[in-house]
Amino acid sequence: DTGVSQNPRHKITKRGQNVTFRCDPISEHNRLYWYRQTLGQGPEFLTYFQNEAQLEKSRLLSDRFSAERPKGSFSTLEIQRTEQGDSAMYLCASSLAYTEGTSYEQYFGPGTRLTVT
Amino acid sequence: TQLLEQSPQFLSIQEGENLTVYCNSSSVFSSLQWYRQEPGEGPVLLVTVVTGGEVKKLKRLTFQFGDARKDSSLHITAAQPGDTGLYLCAGDSNYQLIWGAGTKLIIKP
Repeated sequence: DTGVSQNPRHKITKRGQNVTFRCDPISEHNRLYWYRQTLGQGPEFLTYFQNEAQLEKSRLLSDRFSAERPKGSFSTLEIQRTEQGDSAMYLCASSLAYTEGTSYEQYFGPGTRLTVT
Repeated sequence: TQLLEQSPQFLSIQEGENLTVYCNSSSVFSSLQWYRQEPGEGPVLLVTVVTGGEVKKLKRLTFQFGDARKDSSLHITAAQPGDTGLYLCAGDSNYQLIWGAGTKLIIKP
């Protein structure tokens, strides 16, 4: 396994367009996280999945954002009607969690850089 | 609200010098992780500290978890230009990590 992969690495879109990002986690990992990161800041939590179930969503995740992990493997993050404020690096991470109550060690993908013009 | 404060935010030093980065919180964490991130890439996990007072070494990097598990430090000995990057600490809080804003480190040859 080569680690967490994300596609595309870069996306430039015009305001108002929809975009979709894909994340392929480490194959045996049951948890998958989405983060957003802007320049000079640490990652901001957006949402996470335990297998195929989406268990938590941040208030940052407006109605324009939706994430899925249909078979408990890869995940997609869709942003509808993009705004310039959505420009950021979108990071995916995965971990292997045995019990509740901890996030365990998270392994990150290279990210998708979104630019909304 | 749980917060992690990192200091300094920015550090530029000469090759061969030593440095320490701090990560502080008023909250207790079950574990704390240190990551290093390069421009345009995702964070890469360096180490996880779990036990209060724990010290872990990774070559020239020494990580320490505070006795009360509220703070941590990263010490680099004889810094090299290859150590340049953004260093992030993250505290384990139930299902998510609480992140510091990062320390941008530049090592000049």
